[in-house]
Amino acid sequence: AQSVTQLDSQVPVFEEAPVELRCNYSSSVSVYLFWYVQYPNQGLQLLLKYLSGSTLVKGINGFEAEFNKSQTSFHLRKPSVHISDTAEYFCAVSDPGGSEKLVFGKGTKLTVNP
Amino acid sequence: NAGVTQTPKFQVLKTGQSMTLQCAQDMNHEYMSWYRQDPGMGLRLIHYSVGAGITDQGEVPNGYNVSRSTTEDFPLRLLSAAPSQTSVYFCASSALSRGLGNTIYFGEGSWLTVV
Repeated sequence: AQSVTQLDSQVPVFEEAPVELRCNYSSSVSVYLFWYVQYPNQGLQLLLKYLSGSTLVKGINGFEAEFNKSQTSFHLRKPSVHISDTAEYFCAVSDPGGSEKLVFGKGTKLTVNP
Repeated sequence: NAGVTQTPKFQVLKTGQSMTLQCAQDMNHEYMSWYRQDPGMGLRLIHYSVGAGITDQGEVPNGYNVSRSTTEDFPLRLLSAAPSQTSVYFCASSALSRGLGNTIYFGEGSWLTVV
């Protein structure tokens, strides 16, 4: 069975600072990996996804993530955050054979302070 | 440009009452699903469907029923609500990816409180 661990439940940072949100996964097969963002009182929006190929994936709003197969990680990064990036971020994994079924991590609440 | 539409947005139920959360999508997606989101738990899959007339259970199906009579609609039924079903519910849809990793689109959520 697949599982996802988001190592930090809350990450506070100052505006314009870099941020990394950590995600590790567990799976006995190859996986697809996703990061979703949830702004307050809204649904989830896809930030980026890794399916295959280049291990560095660029997404919307200046975010990027790097797939590391040996460390089973898919950490999300942004070099300079804005107040508007305050949200909850979810890492998710799926089996390529059934990639509609996502297994989510518990989420990381990113708070950007002025 | 509706996407995935959920109703109602907010609902308060008494223990033992029944209700249906509605979900509709206008993207002709084969795949639809329901998740619940609880604090510190992330999102957990309740039920899903890969097409009209086909449904299956996810990780936490107990206490919920679904049906899929049309491609567009995927209602979630609570037959006898319990306080443990207090949660935020999200409906999602996508084209069947067949290994392509198609994007999954989420509704804006339905906040349900069972007292």
